[in-house]
Amino acid sequence: EDQVTQSPEALRLQEGESSSLNCSYTVSGLRGLFWYRQDPGKGPEFLFTLYSAGEEKEKERLKATLTKKESFLHITAPKPEDSATYLCAVPNQGGKLIFGQGTELSVKP
Amino acid sequence: GAVVSQHPSWVICKSGTSVKIECRSLDFQATTMFWYRQFPKQSLMLMATSNEGSKATYEQGVEKDKFLINHASLTLSTLTVTSAHPEDSSFYICSATEEPLAYEQYFGPGTRLTVT
Repeated sequence: EDQVTQSPEALRLQEGESSSLNCSYTVSGLRGLFWYRQDPGKGPEFLFTLYSAGEEKEKERLKATLTKKESFLHITAPKPEDSATYLCAVPNQGGKLIFGQGTELSVKP
Repeated sequence: GAVVSQHPSWVICKSGTSVKIECRSLDFQATTMFWYRQFPKQSLMLMATSNEGSKATYEQGVEKDKFLINHASLTLSTLTVTSAHPEDSSFYICSATEEPLAYEQYFGPGTRLTVT
């Protein structure tokens, strides 16, 4: 069964304290892994797409990496404005996105 | 590019009435649009997939007669919640793929529905 598991569920960081979020996936044939950011009361905002193991993508303080079993979202020197819920998702064979439960990140000044 | 809008952003309606939510792709043609529902502190739950010009495909457990979906054009899909009840109160989000057969979905800002 296709499955996506994110950890931790919640993460509290001090401003400037780097850390990583994990997304483990099980899917029959990877068709991409997507990271989204969701602010309270808003729709998910697209961040990255990764397609193959070893691929990395960066955007400002965020860097996403991919292995055959998991993806990491590394946050370097986070700022309070990085506080949000981060979602990862993979498409199943039918093209539907299977989402993880998300990691709620809180960055305190 | 790849901007999706939703209207309204929030709506309050009385129990028993119907409410329509619009989802538009602003700068691309969306062959396929998706409707999700999200409860507080939970992830997105896919309700249905809509393709332009054809009937929507509903996920198991979603009442098709209660949640009417129409995808009349390549830039507009609508979700109508019929005979709404308080348990239908939720955050509804639509998404669209920019290219046919693409997996990457772009999401609208969501609509908060409160049924009193």
